Amino acid sequence: EAGVVQSPRYKIIEKKQPVAFWCNPISGHNTLYWYLQNLGQGPELLIRYENEEAVDDSQLPKDRFSAERLKGVDSTLKIQPAELGDSAVYLCASSSGLAGGDTEQFFGPGTRLTVL
Amino acid sequence: TQLLEQSPQFLSIQEGENLTVYCNSSSVFSSLQWYRQEPGEGPVLLVTVVTGGEVKKLKRLTFQFGDARKDSSLHITAAQTGDTGLYLCAGFRGSNYKLTFGKGTLLTVNP
Repeated sequence: EAGVVQSPRYKIIEKKQPVAFWCNPISGHNTLYWYLQNLGQGPELLIRYENEEAVDDSQLPKDRFSAERLKGVDSTLKIQPAELGDSAVYLCASSSGLAGGDTEQFFGPGTRLTVL
Repeated sequence: TQLLEQSPQFLSIQEGENLTVYCNSSSVFSSLQWYRQEPGEGPVLLVTVVTGGEVKKLKRLTFQFGDARKDSSLHITAAQTGDTGLYLCAGFRGSNYKLTFGKGTLLTVNP
């Protein structure tokens, strides 16, 4: 069975440009997460979806970041406009059932964004 | 302030040696997870510990959850080069379903 798929794997853009990342979770997983991982840090949650509903977006910088999961399957994370400090790895993860204490999250390989 | 403090931040050892890495917090967690992340990949779950004092073994890896559920440790026996990677601890607190990660321990096992 295919794991979490993310594209692109790498993206280099100039500051003030828009950028979008795409994630296709494991089939049947209703919970989808977007994380930000800076160099030397652990992942930090940006947004969590239960099906098509964003149930936790408290860490998403809404002035420039947006996300959608229209049909409750794949998801897109967008930054507009990008800033130098947005350079990081953007990870997507998915899990079956509701998030909780023993939930296993399956992570994709991430998209490494470099903003010049 | 980091909710989960991991130590050491970096560890370089020779193949065959034993090692222990730590994950500490002043907060109580309902469960803790350990992940391993290799370069260019996402984290992969190794284990979940739920009960205070719990010990879980996964081949050469031994995980322990502190009695007070505020800390955890990962012990690797006879490390192999394939154990090289970033070891992340992550926890859930109470009814909050947000998973909080530590900064990780970057382990290098040299042949």
